Amino acid sequence: DSGVTQTPKHLITATGQRVTLRCSPRSGDLSVYWYQQSLDQGLQFLIQYYNGEERAKGNILERFSAQQFPDLHSELNLSSLELGDSALYFCASSVDQGSNYGYTFGSGTRLTVV
Amino acid sequence: GENVEQHPSTLSVQEGDSAVIKCTYSDSASNYFPWYKQELGKRPQLIIDIRSNVGEKKDQRIAVTLNKTAKHFSLHITETQPEDSAVYFCAASGGNTDKLIFGTGTRLQVFP
Repeated sequence: DSGVTQTPKHLITATGQRVTLRCSPRSGDLSVYWYQQSLDQGLQFLIQYYNGEERAKGNILERFSAQQFPDLHSELNLSSLELGDSALYFCASSVDQGSNYGYTFGSGTRLTVV
Repeated sequence: GENVEQHPSTLSVQEGDSAVIKCTYSDSASNYFPWYKQELGKRPQLIIDIRSNVGEKKDQRIAVTLNKTAKHFSLHITETQPEDSAVYFCAASGGNTDKLIFGTGTRLQVFP
């Protein structure tokens, strides 16, 4: 167990639907990062939050949004889902707003859009 | 923005041989370079990292080297074992970005 908790582990939903992925960072970590990994692809950075505020944005679609709550857990909302959104979604956390100590990844949420 | 290139995309070696994976980065101000190992269907796990004030770091069969002038860094695995089979990602951060930018990954297969 890495200390970063992601729920649910698996999600199957239909096109056009909306889902919410949840992440609880490791205790003491203030930064949360979201990454998308499509089949046999690399890790695409979506968005970063630090202590409740958006810190950096990557190639995140307008249909996707995220937030970090006062208890530091984060949610990634995906709406108007398309088949191409099927992927593994990883959350990672780090202690600072940079990455001087590396990231710890959660086990991911596997999203399947049918 | 920051870009990290990784080669090769696939690498097959015989058990006991060495494996080398190379990465180059674009932001000369980058100062932190971790390597992650991802087994099939699992989360990426940090296996070793190096900072810009160090040229080489070793941890048992794994070593990483950094050439700041050329802006490249490499992962070396010696005496490979079948359990080393996985996808390996390099990453870089610091300078103009405080988030990790990942390379595209190398699928390493170690044959018994």
